[in-house]
Amino acid sequence: GNSVTQMEGPVTLSEEAFLTINCTYTATGYPSLFWYVQYPGEGLQLLLKATKADDKGSNKGFEATYRKETTSFHLEKGSVQVSDSAVYFCALSNPYSSASKIIFGSGTRLSIRP
Amino acid sequence: DTAVSQTPKYLVTQMGNDKSIKCEQNLGHDTMYWYKQDSKKFLKIMFSYNNKELIINETVPNRFSPKSPDKAHLNLHINSLELGDSAVYFCASSVMTGVGYEQYFGPGTRLTVT
Repeated sequence: GNSVTQMEGPVTLSEEAFLTINCTYTATGYPSLFWYVQYPGEGLQLLLKATKADDKGSNKGFEATYRKETTSFHLEKGSVQVSDSAVYFCALSNPYSSASKIIFGSGTRLSIRP
Repeated sequence: DTAVSQTPKYLVTQMGNDKSIKCEQNLGHDTMYWYKQDSKKFLKIMFSYNNKELIINETVPNRFSPKSPDKAHLNLHINSLELGDSAVYFCASSVMTGVGYEQYFGPGTRLTVT
């Protein structure tokens, strides 16, 4: 079946530190991969996406590369800010199975210290 | 120009009561969802409708009943509320991009059952 595993949080970093949040997936065929961000008190927002192998999604300084050989989609940012404090969800959508369902990881809480 | 809206944002009620949460999207999407998010931020899909037809119905108590009067609206009615129903409920809608579904979330409804 389809599944997403992401690193457990919380992750606490100092401002301007380098960020990596790991995400691996299991799926048949060629799913699309996403990172969503949830700021405190808000709903989830799409942060970036990649739809095929070796695609790199990027937005707001965040990047993630679709690695089919390692079934991974790790989220990175070179220099985090306090405003990046949020919960980050890795997700996949597989049109070959699971109909319209999007599979979400368990979320990783990120806290940035000034 | 809100894309996915929910009302109310906060709902405090007593055990045994019946309550409804409303959701509307103005994105023209055919598919809508209800999710429950617990205190650990874990997201659980509850229901999905495609063009007013129920397509996903996860293991959810019968006390929860979704209703979709048209493809822009998906409401959630909960009977005989229990303490364990306290959570944040998110509505979402999605568009099929050809390589997978991309979801857009509402701001959430925080339900507290006392």
